[in-house]
Amino acid sequence: QVQLQQSGPGLVKPSQTLSLTCVISGDSVSTHSGTWNWIRQSPSRGLEWLGRTYYRSIWYNDYAVSVKGRITITPDTSKNQLSLQLNSVTPEDTAVYYCVRGFWIGGTPTLDYWGLGTLVTVSS
Amino acid sequence: EVVLTQSPGTLSLSPGERATISCRASQTVTSPYLAWYQQKPGQAPRLLIYGASIRATGIPDRFSGSGSGTDFTLTIDRLEAEDVAVYYCQQYGYSPPTYSFGQGTKLEIK
Repeated sequence: QVQLQQSGPGLVKPSQTLSLTCVISGDSVSTHSGTWNWIRQSPSRGLEWLGRTYYRSIWYNDYAVSVKGRITITPDTSKNQLSLQLNSVTPEDTAVYYCVRGFWIGGTPTLDYWGLGTLVTVSS
Repeated sequence: EVVLTQSPGTLSLSPGERATISCRASQTVTSPYLAWYQQKPGQAPRLLIYGASIRATGIPDRFSGSGSGTDFTLTIDRLEAEDVAVYYCQQYGYSPPTYSFGQGTKLEIK
């Protein structure tokens, strides 16, 4: 059973950096059969995929156009975790942030394990 | 980018009835890349259906998915009180890679 334990501050000031960590148990961040994603949810934007990291002999990252240039997702194999950094935040970045495993079943992509979510509020 | 539009926005039905939720895509979606999620109040979304019609592990057979091209449907038979949730369709695009979601359909049980 995969479990994703998220942590990080719930309040970030405008223009600063949002940082979250997701510790993985029951799987490896460097698995060749999965990806590790960050997805956020807000009343105004709904569910929004932000990006992912994954290992296929080397590390890859993909980011959503909406946050490209502000986002970095970094794996840490020594701690079996991944982190999210989102720079220059504004109140529009206020949302519940989820760490999510992507897994391909028979050639079909799924988002099968979700963390509990972290509410991050951007406010001074 | 593919835009997914769900209807209705809210569905209010009685126990034992059937719920039908529609997901329409702005462009053709490859069926293996269409999924459905259930989000109960205060919880993270949970995978229900993937590949348009394949139930995820542990999902009761009351839940079924169908459709192809631009029109997909989630059907829930014999509604129970525990089915109260918001249901989302989701599409995977591979070039560039992205996951996009519908705006959600809220299911209420009378």
